[in-house]
Amino acid sequence: GAVVSQHPSRVICKSGTSVKIECRSLDFQATTMFWYRQFPKQSLMLMATSNEGSKATYEQGVEKDKFLINHASLTLSTLTVTSAHPEDSSFYICSARDWGDRGWNSPLHFGNGTRLTVT
Amino acid sequence: GQQLNQSPQSMFIQEGEDVSMNCTSSSIFNTWLWYKQDPGEGPVLLIALYKAGELTSNGRLTAQFGITRKDSFLNISASIPSDVGIYFCAGQLSSGGSNYKLTFGKGTLLTVNP
Repeated sequence: GAVVSQHPSRVICKSGTSVKIECRSLDFQATTMFWYRQFPKQSLMLMATSNEGSKATYEQGVEKDKFLINHASLTLSTLTVTSAHPEDSSFYICSARDWGDRGWNSPLHFGNGTRLTVT
Repeated sequence: GQQLNQSPQSMFIQEGEDVSMNCTSSSIFNTWLWYKQDPGEGPVLLIALYKAGELTSNGRLTAQFGITRKDSFLNISASIPSDVGIYFCAGQLSSGGSNYKLTFGKGTLLTVNP
């Protein structure tokens, strides 16, 4: 089945620094990847849609200058949290579709998430 | 925007019991998905439903896509301790303008007492 790998699984950084999270589709190509954020005991909130070769699309209320997304290849998208602050501490999860499954109807497969703690 | 109402919010059951949870929507979806999330991990796809009325099983799990396309349920039979986790429903509207995004329910926290 489609496998999405996310790295790192856990990161602790100091306030004001930047953190990069990688998301890779291991056995399929993904022109689109999705980045979610999840607070404790809550559901997943879509932050942005990462598009290979073009700009990401951000959801309302998500700062594009704060959360930089780069989709450099058909198997890699990165999310950089810039000038991180304690309120950015959260669980970040990426996801992607295997188009070869059912095209746009294909289900999303998720990475294992990255726990970001900003001190 | 679209909203999913997932219930119950939490369940505490004994090992061996059957479990049922459901999601309802204010609008239609083309695809219904059920995911399970363990603590500190990403959601894992359990069942995908693509047609109204479709009933699909995956081991002890059974899910159905409501005929109105506005609801879905997930049943777990003969629960075991490893069924513990948070179960999310998600709906997808595959048409122009939706960007094929998923809308998630708020989750059902399942606890199984051995």
